[in-house]
Amino acid sequence: EIVMTQSPATLSVSPGESATLSCRASQSVKSKLAWYQQKPGQAPRLLIYAASSRATGIPARFSGSGSGTDFTLTISSLQSEDFAVYYCQQYNHWPLFTFGPGTTVDIK
Amino acid sequence: QVLLQQSGPGLVEPSQTLSLTCVISGDIISDSSVAWNWIRQSPSRGLEWLGRTNYRSEWYNDYAEFVKSRLTIKADRSKNQFSLQLDSVTPEDTAIYYCARGYFFDFWGQGVLVTVSS
Repeated sequence: EIVMTQSPATLSVSPGESATLSCRASQSVKSKLAWYQQKPGQAPRLLIYAASSRATGIPARFSGSGSGTDFTLTISSLQSEDFAVYYCQQYNHWPLFTFGPGTTVDIK
Repeated sequence: QVLLQQSGPGLVEPSQTLSLTCVISGDIISDSSVAWNWIRQSPSRGLEWLGRTNYRSEWYNDYAEFVKSRLTIKADRSKNQFSLQLDSVTPEDTAIYYCARGYFFDFWGQGVLVTVSS
């Protein structure tokens, strides 16, 4: 099983600032890495797939990078609606696709 | 736009079977390019992928090892839906259950909170 870790667990950011979230895989997942945003009471929403491709309708302030075992999600100029929990997920190792434990981005 | 609409009971007694359904609109369940998944989320275990079904001339299912002996996913082409059946539930199966499309999950159902309790 591929274990996904995320850091930090919580990130406190002021509106307008940028946020950098990290995700690490226990083995290489190549570029088969997705990022999700989840707000309270809602299902996760796909932000990024293939490590760096934005999903349909996702603003350009969300960007992803990395390959292999180390990945980054950057949110530039945080808006009020961006305060949420962010998860990474690998889909390279079949059949078990695994999620990270999440990073909470809250208001500083 | 793809919509996934979930239904099923919110309370299940221990040792009983949990059954949930996910109705698909805006896509076809037999589309060979996508898979249809069940995922759950709990505070103690986070997001857990449980299993998927995919049609490639015939139906293929994959299950997470930790539920493989108790989980069955079935597809119904006539109703364009798929279902989850989890046997012998315990309180540790209490979670929000989601259906979702894909290998990275681009569309999700609304989620159903399932509590296992007597």
